[in-house]
Amino acid sequence: NAGVTQTPKFRVLKTGQSMTLLCAQDMNHEYMYWYRQDPGMGLRLIHYSVGEGTTAKGEVPDGYNVSRLKKQNFLLGLESAAPSQTSVYFCASSRAGTSKQETQYFGPGTRLLVL
Amino acid sequence: LAKTTQPISMDSYEGQEVNITCSHNNIATNDYITWYQQFPSQGPRFIIQGYKTKVTNEVASLFIPADRKSSTLSLPRVSLSDTAVYYCLVGDGKGSSYKLIFGSGTRLLVRP
Repeated sequence: NAGVTQTPKFRVLKTGQSMTLLCAQDMNHEYMYWYRQDPGMGLRLIHYSVGEGTTAKGEVPDGYNVSRLKKQNFLLGLESAAPSQTSVYFCASSRAGTSKQETQYFGPGTRLLVL
Repeated sequence: LAKTTQPISMDSYEGQEVNITCSHNNIATNDYITWYQQFPSQGPRFIIQGYKTKVTNEVASLFIPADRKSSTLSLPRVSLSDTAVYYCLVGDGKGSSYKLIFGSGTRLLVRP
């Protein structure tokens, strides 16, 4: 049981390049999330998904797109990378939430540097 | 939006009890209060969750007063390995729109 895994661990991009970050979970969770964390800051929610084939915007969605074609995978895409997107990206998953907050399980993070 | 306010940083010494208070004046009736811990270069990890009064597990205790406008995370007898950032979260919405809002957290430094 690997939990939540993220690929790649580290990436350097030039401004304007595109890339896709992959998140995979093996806990059969319904919900998945993408966060970014800038130095010395808390996590900010980019996009999230409450089930296969569904996605929704979080706090800071601009410049990112996501897809959830399979329940276990959640992809984060940067179509045209900008230096402001230099950050650490965390993926998380949880069981379906109702009124009680379900525990989110986080991946190890992907460090992205945009030059 | 339910927002939280925590101290930016705290210092402690090994063996002491540490209490971190979080303010959440606009907490909704159905919201739970959850605390996460984050070590450098790692994703956050769930510590404890509660709705009211007191919750205790093997790691920490969570105290929530009757008005639920604040909560206190209590770490008994901290060690150097408890040095981390601690986040207090309350929910934003429920059901299919459920998501969490992370603040800046409290940086706890435990000294020898």
